[in-house]
Amino acid sequence: GAVVSQHPSWVICKSGTSVKIECRSLDFQATTMFWYRQFPKQSLMLMATSNEGSKATYEQGVEKDKFLINHASLTLSTLTVTSAHPEDSSFYICSARRENNEQFFGPGTRLTVL
Amino acid sequence: LAKTTQPISMDSYEGQEVNITCSHNNIATNDYITWYQQFPSQGPRFIIQGYKTKVTNEVASLFIPADRKSSTLSLPRVSLSDTAVYYCLVGPLYGGELSFGAGTTVTVRA
Repeated sequence: GAVVSQHPSWVICKSGTSVKIECRSLDFQATTMFWYRQFPKQSLMLMATSNEGSKATYEQGVEKDKFLINHASLTLSTLTVTSAHPEDSSFYICSARRENNEQFFGPGTRLTVL
Repeated sequence: LAKTTQPISMDSYEGQEVNITCSHNNIATNDYITWYQQFPSQGPRFIIQGYKTKVTNEVASLFIPADRKSSTLSLPRVSLSDTAVYYCLVGPLYGGELSFGAGTTVTVRA
């Protein structure tokens, strides 16, 4: 199957700093990428949908100025958590959808804000 | 997106068959049923997808009755490594984001 990678796999940062998470589709072009957040013992919650070259669409309740999403190419989307605070600590997962609509998930990024 | 209902948890033993039923009463005509598996601190992994009747692959079978208001994921002869959370999702095959429900935590014991 297709491979989606995320970098970094885990990150620890101080409160108030910004953190960038990359999501790459390694062997296919992703027309659309999705970002999810998952808190411990909970399900995945969709944060936003991004299409290459256009602005991301955010789910209700997700602050677009805090979670900046850039989808600069068909193989790369980035999520930047700006001015991170402890409540932003979570597991962030991206998925990439290719033209035949198959969707593949990345391995996730564990963010811990101190 | 159609809402899905699954049992919160299921326990089993190695070598047994595990059947997880998902209810999706409001499934639309063009909706497909997809199951994902997720291990702790990993992204979800696609298991199987179907529209009607029965679908089987190397890891699981998916049974869908004629009214499509429910579906059953069958995991044959589970092992300890099948301990995971299993999600049932319903949505159109082409287009749209995936909406995850609570999932079913399957625990396989020796």
